[in-house]
Amino acid sequence: DAGVIQSPRHEVTEMGQEVTLRCKPISGHDYLFWYRQTMMRGLELLIYFNNNVPIDDSGMPEDRFSAKMPNASFSTLKIQPSEPRDSAVYFCASTVGGRNQPQHFGDGTRLSIL
Amino acid sequence: SQQGEEDPQALSIQEGENATMNCSYKTSINNLQWYRQNSGRGLVHLILIRSNEREKHSGRLRVTLDTSKKSSSLLITASRAADTASYFCATDAGETSGSRLTFGEGTQLTVNP
Repeated sequence: DAGVIQSPRHEVTEMGQEVTLRCKPISGHDYLFWYRQTMMRGLELLIYFNNNVPIDDSGMPEDRFSAKMPNASFSTLKIQPSEPRDSAVYFCASTVGGRNQPQHFGDGTRLSIL
Repeated sequence: SQQGEEDPQALSIQEGENATMNCSYKTSINNLQWYRQNSGRGLVHLILIRSNEREKHSGRLRVTLDTSKKSSSLLITASRAADTASYFCATDAGETSGSRLTFGEGTQLTVNP
């Protein structure tokens, strides 16, 4: 079975540009999570969805960040405008049932903002 | 301080030796999970232990949980070079946290052949 699929794997862009990261969760999973990983701050939860509805976006750093889940098989994380401090690896994860369940991670998008 | 702090930050051992990593946390939990991350890849779930469990095994992995001390340990027995990775603990803090996990900073394990 296919795991969580993220695209692109790498993104390099100049500050001020709009960046869109994409995620396809595992079929049948009803929870989707977006994380950011940096050396300084470790792995941080940005936002998570249940049945396509955002449940907790308290980790979204600023209004420049937005996330959507238009259907059960697709989610986007958008940064507009991007800044160098947004450089990080962004992970998407999904799970079924939420509590007491393992999360399944994609291989991430390595984002570099110049 | 961050929920779920691992120690040591880095551990280097020889193949065949056992590796022990520790995790401490601050609030009450519903469960604690351990994940592995190979370089350039996403996290992979290893094992989940619930708050009412004290020990759990999976292959060469052994996890213990002491809720009175708010700590957990991950033991990898008979380590292999392929076990080289970062290992993270993650806590589910119960009803007030929804379905969110809070990850520690990780232990970087190097197994030398």
